[in-house]
Amino acid sequence: SQTIHQWPATLVQPVGSPLSLECTVEGTSNPNLYWYRQAAGRGLQLLFYSVGIGQISSEVPQNLSASRPQDRQFILSSKKLLLSDSGFYLCAWSVLAGGQEFFGPGTRLTVL
Amino acid sequence: SQQGEEDPQALSIQEGENATMNCSYKTSINNLQWYRQNSGRGLVHLILIRSNEREKHSGRLRVTLDTSKKSSSLLITASRAADTASYFCATEENAGGTSYGKLTFGQGTILTVHP
Repeated sequence: SQTIHQWPATLVQPVGSPLSLECTVEGTSNPNLYWYRQAAGRGLQLLFYSVGIGQISSEVPQNLSASRPQDRQFILSSKKLLLSDSGFYLCAWSVLAGGQEFFGPGTRLTVL
Repeated sequence: SQQGEEDPQALSIQEGENATMNCSYKTSINNLQWYRQNSGRGLVHLILIRSNEREKHSGRLRVTLDTSKKSSSLLITASRAADTASYFCATEENAGGTSYGKLTFGQGTILTVHP
């Protein structure tokens, strides 16, 4: 069966520090991968999606970047965090574009 | 502005009652999906309804889709305290083959079911 992992579960970082959040998927090949951010009490904002290794599409201009070094690995990064980067970050995968998405447990990031 | 807008923003009911949540969207879609999120957790897929479908059932869930009104509703019958969660609709826009097929999520409805 397929599983998706995200780590860490929670993270507190100072403003200006770097960030690296990792997401891995098991039990499937060539998944579509997504990074979302969710502000408190709000809906999900799609940040990045990837249809294959090295292929990244950015949805909104921001302080973040994403990479897909392996088929089932998706990394969210920042060189210098801002206060506004605080939020709940969710990784997801799907078999078909536009189809059902499977979400990871999320990472709660607090930037102080 | 958001593609999907849920209504109401919050809903509080007693166990055993039915809960109805609505979602409106703006563009032509290929499908509409409903997800559930328990506090501080990832989202869980509940149901997907395609643009050529009008109604779909899954256990105690009933979803309707009215493409002429660009709206959908999620009905949870005989609610339980364990149904307490946030519920989100998400749409895959039909952009005539030019869109990747990514989902756009609404702001969600917070459902509280009191025992």
